[in-house]
Amino acid sequence: QVQLVESGGGVVQPGRSLRLSCAASRFTFRSYAMHWVRQAPGKGLEWVAVISFDGNNKYYADSVKGRFTISRDNSKNTLYLQMNSLRAEDTAMYYCARDMAATGYRSFDYWGQGTLVTVSS
Amino acid sequence: QSALTQPASVSGSPGQSITISCTGTSSDVGGYNYVSWYQQHPGKVPKLMIYDVSNRPSGVSNRFSGSKSGNTASLTISGLQAEDEADYYCSSYTSNITLGVFGTGTKVTVL
Repeated sequence: QVQLVESGGGVVQPGRSLRLSCAASRFTFRSYAMHWVRQAPGKGLEWVAVISFDGNNKYYADSVKGRFTISRDNSKNTLYLQMNSLRAEDTAMYYCARDMAATGYRSFDYWGQGTLVTVSS
Repeated sequence: QSALTQPASVSGSPGQSITISCTGTSSDVGGYNYVSWYQQHPGKVPKLMIYDVSNRPSGVSNRFSGSKSGNTASLTISGLQAEDEADYYCSSYTSNITLGVFGTGTKVTVL
């Protein structure tokens, strides 16, 4: 069964940085696009970013563009999200999710359990 | 990129059918067949229920079905059961530079 395990969340002060990781296993990681999706407490799902199977194409939500960077290391089967200049409104559970396709934005067929990021002074 | 519009809540009695709408624009829902639907129970991880407008992943009950007309996609749950009580989100590819967007979410209540 596909497994996605996020890590790296925690409490961070506004303006600081944090890097999330998502370790993938039990599927051919290098063949799929991967996403980050977040959910603020009591709120809906918000798509954050996507990276193509080979890492060459990346897209971001307007709310994080210029502050967050998505990347992947196919040799380590790991997805990353570098989050800089964090704001209180970035407080959320962050999920990594696998796309059904190798590129683009089609649908998220597997999700991790999430890692919680809290931005607070 | 604005979120796709869904009703905040929909309710129905056991055995009934309900439909959740998801309204976008010709740049997303209306222009492409990459609409998907997710079910999320409280405190749980979202689960894919429908992809490519109307396709069900393996293991998802055939009580769930999807469709699209113009800029509005719909998720229909037939034979409503207590276990269907959850939040539901649509999502779509968009030709905007951001590439993708979720709906505002709908809380389904089984009366």
